[in-house]
Amino acid sequence: DAGITQSPRHKVTETGTPVTLRCHQTENHRYMYWYRQDPGHGLRLIHYSYGVKDTDKGEVSDGYSVSRSKTEDFLLTLESATSSQTSVYFCAISESLRTEHNNEQFFGPGTRLTVL
Amino acid sequence: AQRVTQPEKLLSVFKGAPVELKCNYSYSGSPELFWYVQYSRQRLQLLLRHISRESIKGFTADLNKGETSFHLKKPFAQEEDSAMYYCALDSSGSARQLTFGSGTQLTVLP
Repeated sequence: DAGITQSPRHKVTETGTPVTLRCHQTENHRYMYWYRQDPGHGLRLIHYSYGVKDTDKGEVSDGYSVSRSKTEDFLLTLESATSSQTSVYFCAISESLRTEHNNEQFFGPGTRLTVL
Repeated sequence: AQRVTQPEKLLSVFKGAPVELKCNYSYSGSPELFWYVQYSRQRLQLLLRHISRESIKGFTADLNKGETSFHLKKPFAQEEDSAMYYCALDSSGSARQLTFGSGTQLTVLP
């Protein structure tokens, strides 16, 4: 597996509380992504980053914010969690120096978040 | 806007039978298409990409621009092929963004 870790791996929280998920990579990849995985919807992009302090919105960004202060870390924050944000969250990275792997995405193990 | 459609949520076949997982896309540009696979208790990983025209684990996929399809095929399914399969479209150019389909859960029965 590419050097991608996510923390925590499981979290149960209550509606209205803030939650931060962390993605850490040791591959020095430029791009980092946060997806959510839901039955019937597949993976949907929440936010992505194309460099330190450079981020942009994805398809389902409402209710989420991100930060990337270092190449290796990409944080996803739910400012006030809602039950609709119960999901499995995946981090991914892409773009190594090898041209043929430039647009392959490598995924983390996922974080299962339950909002009660 | 780009869209990826996988019409089958669930697909079951018997071991040794041919399998085809359907993927259709809508995109106005020149697409790059991928199949990703997630085996039970493993990470999502790239299975194959159309641009390399390769066969991985016996799977192939041909891009049909006329039908806007990228179906995944294997002539003889194996039990270890049971997994969730996602078709994905890269329309990004520089941002390396992927649009995923909703996935097909393949079960290969003994």
